[in-house]
Amino acid sequence: IAGITQAPTSQILAAGRRMTLRCTQDMRHNAMYWYRQDLGLGLRLIHYSNTAGTTGKGEVPDGYSVSRANTDDFPLTLASAVPSQTSVYFCASSLTSGDTDTQYFGPGTRLTVL
Amino acid sequence: GQNIDQPTEMTATEGAIVQINCTYQTSGFNGLFWYQQHAGEAPTFLSYNVLDGLEEKGRFSSFLSRSKGYSYLLLKELQMKDSASYLCAVTDSNYQLIWGAGTKLIIKP
Repeated sequence: IAGITQAPTSQILAAGRRMTLRCTQDMRHNAMYWYRQDLGLGLRLIHYSNTAGTTGKGEVPDGYSVSRANTDDFPLTLASAVPSQTSVYFCASSLTSGDTDTQYFGPGTRLTVL
Repeated sequence: GQNIDQPTEMTATEGAIVQINCTYQTSGFNGLFWYQQHAGEAPTFLSYNVLDGLEEKGRFSSFLSRSKGYSYLLLKELQMKDSASYLCAVTDSNYQLIWGAGTKLIIKP
């Protein structure tokens, strides 16, 4: 693996189902992030983790949960999907959570909730 | 509230110069980023400004005025591959990135 990967690439999901989006990075970055991107809106932060073992809520956390058991992995779970969660989800990482650190993005997961 | 404004779409000609503006109002300021995002792909880093002035990097330059809450991205010698969305993002007082909706740049031959 080189960089940051996400799985699945795309998914169609029935409303009410549980879904976990996976994110893995091999850059030994301390900070990781989950964003959603919707047409006409900027990237919106869902949850973040400044270091393994810690997580925090972003701008739009409702309906989502995350965990950070180790440095490399940062899964995002939708406990009971709703159509408004249809979006493109990007995972990102940075060396630290400091202001100058560039965020590197995974290729994204396109999720459709019907 | 926090707000970042960019034009929704711009059109330019191959070989020309284009300037994409970004204005921001955020709770604190700890730097401004520009990212490029091709359709269907992930955003990729272009530039970072924290001090006033111009940062030049090849065909791309980024300018910042903190007192005016203003930045621009200048793209010179436009190529067809520069057709993409350009995202402006500001690091706020909590060190979180606040993103603009992006400017879709269309390059015509």
